[in-house]
Amino acid sequence: GAVVSQHPSRVICKSGTSVKIECRSLDFQATTMFWYRQFPKQSLMLMATSNEGSKATYEQGVEKDKFLINHASLTLSTLTVTSAHPEDSSFYICSASSGRYETQYFGPGTRLLVL
Amino acid sequence: QKEVEQDPGPLSVPEGAIVSLNCTYSNSAFQYFMWYRQYSRKGPELLMYTYSSGNKEDGRFTAQVDKSSKYISLFIRDSQPSDSATYLCAMRSDNYGQNFVFGPGTRLSVLP
Repeated sequence: GAVVSQHPSRVICKSGTSVKIECRSLDFQATTMFWYRQFPKQSLMLMATSNEGSKATYEQGVEKDKFLINHASLTLSTLTVTSAHPEDSSFYICSASSGRYETQYFGPGTRLLVL
Repeated sequence: QKEVEQDPGPLSVPEGAIVSLNCTYSNSAFQYFMWYRQYSRKGPELLMYTYSSGNKEDGRFTAQVDKSSKYISLFIRDSQPSDSATYLCAMRSDNYGQNFVFGPGTRLSVLP
């Protein structure tokens, strides 16, 4: 149980385009989903927290208009990187939690390369 | 002082060794403690999840929490090359809405 999927697993795009990443909880309802960014050999950096049906809470320094997060259902959250630039190239990982006393289960990550 | 500290390694051990991974923390409100394993280019995988102090064992893995010392450990017995990965500790308080706090991770290499 507690499986989280991400799609796509890898994406290459041109600078200036937008990229959407999906995060799905496959066998449980995720009241809260988290989006992280990870650079090579570095730890996870929390970007934002989203609760189903409400606006995401962004961490300090993360641009809301650049990283659009939608958590429209209890099993799906999306992260859209708008007008992507090479510096946005990174490994993006989502996680999901089913409740207050539950832990986070991570997706496999999405590797984004912006040319 | 960072909220959660963890030796980044790398830590290299021979196959079959007992591995000890540790984290210290400063927030006494933390109640939930987790260990994740992350292989290169993959998402973290939950290994152990404990509440408050005490020990928890699962196969070759044992998690220990000492809240009085603000210190948690993960022991890996009979380590295997497949255990080579980065190990992240994470913790949170009982305060709903409080996000998890992750350690920076320890890179472990188990040499055959």
